[in-house]
Amino acid sequence: EAGVVQSPRYKIIEKKQPVAFWCNPISGHNTLYWYRQNLGQGPELLIRYENEEAVDDSQLPKDRFSAERLKGVDSTLKIQPAELGDSAVYLCASSSYLRDRGTQTLLDEQYFGPGTRLTVT
Amino acid sequence: SQQGEEDPQALSIQEGENATMNCSYKTSINNLQWYRQNSGRGLVHLILIRSNEREKHSGRLRVTLDTSKKSSSLLITASRAADTASYFCATRGAGSYQLTFGKGTKLSVIP
Repeated sequence: EAGVVQSPRYKIIEKKQPVAFWCNPISGHNTLYWYRQNLGQGPELLIRYENEEAVDDSQLPKDRFSAERLKGVDSTLKIQPAELGDSAVYLCASSSYLRDRGTQTLLDEQYFGPGTRLTVT
Repeated sequence: SQQGEEDPQALSIQEGENATMNCSYKTSINNLQWYRQNSGRGLVHLILIRSNEREKHSGRLRVTLDTSKKSSSLLITASRAADTASYFCATRGAGSYQLTFGKGTKLSVIP
């Protein structure tokens, strides 16, 4: 099966400019995540979608960041205006929730795209 | 914020040796997962261990979980140059849908 697709792979912009990232998750995956990964750090969640609904956007800086997932498939993450501190890799991931009947434990294996490396100058 | 803390931050070994990475976390979890990230690439899921499990194997990978110590270890046996990557542990908190990643261990396997 095709993996998670992201574009562009690299983006260089000047501060105060807008930028948008696009993600196409694995077919059939109803859950989509956007993460930001700073250099030398692990990914940090920005927003999580269940189908077209943003169910957790508590860590999304809403003054300049916005996201949408129209029709519950592709998603776009936008930054406007970009700041120097926004330079990072933006990762998209998707998953399909499974509930383990025996223990009622939620299982969640996430599939990541290659990311978009953003450089703000 | 990042819950998991991997140790060591960097590890360099010879091909054929075993590599052990540790992860500590702070709060109760539903499950703990290990991911690998090659340079400039996305993360790849390696293995998931539930909170009621103590050990799990997958090929050359062995993961242990000690919930009383809030720690986990990832053992890669008979390492290969292709294992060179950063390894992250990620925890799903009890009652939470969020996956929280640590800062990772950078593993270098020298041919």
